Amino acid sequence: GAVVSQHPSRVICKSGTSVKIECRSLDFQATTMFWYRQFPKQSLMLMATSNEGSKATYEQGVEKDKFLINHASLTLSTLTVTSAHPEDSSFYICSASTASYGYTFGSGTRLTVV
Amino acid sequence: GNSVTQMEGPVTLSEEAFLTINCTYTATGYPSLFWYVQYPGEGLQLLLKATKADDKGSNKGFEATYRKETTSFHLEKGSVQVSDSAVYFCALCNTNAGKSTFGDGTTLTVKP
Repeated sequence: GAVVSQHPSRVICKSGTSVKIECRSLDFQATTMFWYRQFPKQSLMLMATSNEGSKATYEQGVEKDKFLINHASLTLSTLTVTSAHPEDSSFYICSASTASYGYTFGSGTRLTVV
Repeated sequence: GNSVTQMEGPVTLSEEAFLTINCTYTATGYPSLFWYVQYPGEGLQLLLKATKADDKGSNKGFEATYRKETTSFHLEKGSVQVSDSAVYFCALCNTNAGKSTFGDGTTLTVKP
C-alpha cells in the first residue's frame, strides 16, 4: 500500500514555457504532500508543503509565483513551473505521508529546460 | 532546528566488503529516522526506518539502530554487492505528517 505516482518522469521544455508535474496517491488519501527539488549530486531540498483545499506553504527562498502548487483533491497535488528557464532544470520529487506507511515518494520528474 | 549529518562520500568498496555509513542527527522531541536509497536516474525508495529509541530497522541485508544516547542511525551491511551501488540518504521526521530533513547523501560504489 501507500503508492505515490508521479508524472511525467522526464520532460524537456523550451525556455519560457510552463510545465505541470502531477503527484497522485493511488491507494490512500493524502491531506498533505511535499515537493522537493534535487540538484545534481546534492540532497533534497524541501520547496513547499501542499495542503488539500488550502494554499501551499513555501520554504524560504522559493518563489511562489514561479512554482505554483495546487492540491485540489485528497489524491492529487500538482506543481507547475511557470515560465521555465534553464536554471529550473532539476529533479523534482513529491512525497506523501501516512500514519501506517510513513513517507512514500514519487519516482521523480527530471525537468530539462532548453 | 532539525539537521542530519552524513558521512561524506564517495565510498568505494569491493564486493562482499562490510559497509558502514554514519549518520547523526539533531532534533527536538522524538523523531522517526529513515534511510532512503536512490539508484541512478530514479527517485527515492525507503530502505528502512525506526520510529523510537533502540529500534532496529532492517531490509535487504541493511540494518540501522536508533541510538538516542549518541543521536545516531548508522547504516550497515555485512556484505555489499555491485547492485548496492547508489546514493544513500539519512533523514528524520518528528511528526507523523511533517516534513523530512535529509542528509546530503553518500554515494556508494561497489566494484566487482
